[in-house]
Amino acid sequence: QQQVKQSPQSLIVQKGGISIINCAYENTAFDYFPWYQQFPGKGPALLIAIRPDVSEKKEGRFTISFNKSAKQFSLHIMDSQPGDSATYFCAASEITGGGNKLTFGTGTQLKVEL
Amino acid sequence: SAVISQKPSRDICQRGTSLTIQCQVDSQVTMMFWYRQQPGQSLTLIATANQGSEATYESGFVIDKFPISRPNLTFSTLTVSNMSPEDSSIYLCSARPPGRRTEAFFGQGTRLTVV
Repeated sequence: QQQVKQSPQSLIVQKGGISIINCAYENTAFDYFPWYQQFPGKGPALLIAIRPDVSEKKEGRFTISFNKSAKQFSLHIMDSQPGDSATYFCAASEITGGGNKLTFGTGTQLKVEL
Repeated sequence: SAVISQKPSRDICQRGTSLTIQCQVDSQVTMMFWYRQQPGQSLTLIATANQGSEATYESGFVIDKFPISRPNLTFSTLTVSNMSPEDSSIYLCSARPPGRRTEAFFGQGTRLTVV
């Protein structure tokens, strides 16, 4: 059972455009929602994360939007650059229970074209 | 942040053999995690390894197939036993620094091919 659903599977964006990746979850016990960026041959690296008590978090060009009632969250990459081309994973975990295990989405391959 | 080193970075193994993957963290951590990532796919948690206790395995993964050691607060190993081509995957080690209840760091992964 896929507890975190991610879309789209792949995304092509022009340089300077906005990249948007969406995730939805089922488990209402999830209380921590990170996004990871993975380049080929590398392990995932934490990009940005949000708790459900806020609806938006912004760090530089990266913004997470969170809709608790809809159980959805999304990553927006503003002014997308070719260096942003990577695979992005959303994830979710329970801070207080579940041993802090991360449940990952299926991933989105982003390609930013010149 | 924590720096996590995995060895080997890649290997090609014969079916029926075993491979032990090492994970070294540059600081003491309480919890370490082992993931499997099929090429182009998401990450699936294999087990959680706490120092001083037996690893906790996720559904579908068993200790006989994936024995884990956690001898101290900076090191862990994952063994893939009696390998078959279906075990070909990327294996990732992850750790959470002390005092950071949420943020997890990953090693670069071990790309395993079983022939």
